[in-house]
Amino acid sequence: NAGVTQTPKFRILKIGQSMTLQCTQDMNHNYMYWYRQDPGMGLKLIYYSVGAGITDKGEVPNGYNVSRSTTEDFPLRLELAAPSQTSVYFCASSLQGDGFAEQYFGPGTRLTVT
Amino acid sequence: QQQVKQSPQSLIVQKGGISIINCAYENTAFDYFPWYQQFPGKGPALLIAIRPDVSEKKEGRFTISFNKSAKQFSLHIMDSQPGDSATYFCAAHLGGYSTLTFGKGTMLLVSP
Repeated sequence: NAGVTQTPKFRILKIGQSMTLQCTQDMNHNYMYWYRQDPGMGLKLIYYSVGAGITDKGEVPNGYNVSRSTTEDFPLRLELAAPSQTSVYFCASSLQGDGFAEQYFGPGTRLTVT
Repeated sequence: QQQVKQSPQSLIVQKGGISIINCAYENTAFDYFPWYQQFPGKGPALLIAIRPDVSEKKEGRFTISFNKSAKQFSLHIMDSQPGDSATYFCAAHLGGYSTLTFGKGTMLLVSP
């Protein structure tokens, strides 16, 4: 199993550009998550999904959109990139949604907006 | 009330020493407290976790101590090794099908 994979690993965007961060998991997990990690700020939840077709906002959803058309994929869309979105983005998945379920993280996407 | 406060922000420990990272919370409805370990350039990975009805959990050199009355929990790394150098995050789960709230992280450096 590859686990959770993310593409791209690195990306530089100009202000106002759009892009999609890809996330795929092959563990048949129902729950998937997007976090952003800024230095000294921990992990902030952007969006999460409890299954195909169902998504919900996390702590910092502004400026982002998600969709979940399949169990495996959970892409994160940035429509109008802003410097404040410079961050490292992690996708994660878990078999269940209760806190006792381990979250498996991908390797991250480092995004710079200039 | 959803916050988890983690300290210190960074920590340097000599090889063989004990590393201690502390977390505090306010919301007594939190029902699960995991610790995640993150190496540079990698995603976090679950290290160890505890439920509030247990005061201590040990896995190898890693121990969680939980003080329910003080609303605090801590990670102890015994006989710290250079390979333990990483960022450690505490987290808390609110109950039901909610998500995790993470602390801000502690960057641990174990010097040889």
